[in-house]
Amino acid sequence: DAGITQSPRHKVTETGTPVTLRCHQTENHRYMYWYRQDPGHGLRLIHYSYGVKDTDKGEVSDGYSVSRSKTEDFLLTLESATSSQTSVYFCAIRSAGGETQYFGPGTRLLVL
Amino acid sequence: GNSVTQMEGPVTLSEEAFLTINCTYTATGYPSLFWYVQYPGEGLQLLLKATKADDKGSNKGFEATYRKETTSFHLEKGSVQVSDSAVYFCALSESQGGSEKLVFGKGTKLTVNP
Repeated sequence: DAGITQSPRHKVTETGTPVTLRCHQTENHRYMYWYRQDPGHGLRLIHYSYGVKDTDKGEVSDGYSVSRSKTEDFLLTLESATSSQTSVYFCAIRSAGGETQYFGPGTRLLVL
Repeated sequence: GNSVTQMEGPVTLSEEAFLTINCTYTATGYPSLFWYVQYPGEGLQLLLKATKADDKGSNKGFEATYRKETTSFHLEKGSVQVSDSAVYFCALSESQGGSEKLVFGKGTKLTVNP
């Protein structure tokens, strides 16, 4: 299994509060991704990173920001959580030159 | 843009039945194609992939063939087991801004009954 962990695994928060999700890898892979999974939508890309301090937006980036200050960590921040951001969030990693993405176990977020 | 369409579920089968989950795609160029599987409460795992036309990916008894002429990558298994109950996602890779990204279908939930 790829060495990817996500924290927290479950979180309940209130509308308007900031939330940060962490993805940590031990594979030293260059590329990291954040997705959200919602019924009827499959997985949709939020943001991705192609190196330390190098990030770009995905399909559903509004309301989210990311940071990557070191290779092993990719943080996803909801500046002011809304109920529409209730979802399961998955991190994925990919090596440079590889095509396969490897996924973490997910974080289940409930915004009340 | 690129997109993936897979058959809507849920799909319910009896053990040892034949499985087909249809997947078609729209893409510029020749993307790599993937099937991922998600077991209950877990993240996605790569099941199989194919990188060029006529390639066949296979794993754990599952197979899928990259058909360029029909833009399809249907997943098949000859005899399903209860342990195959999961959600299956078809995906393609696309290059944008020098980075490879995955575009996913909406997923098909499979339930196999004993």
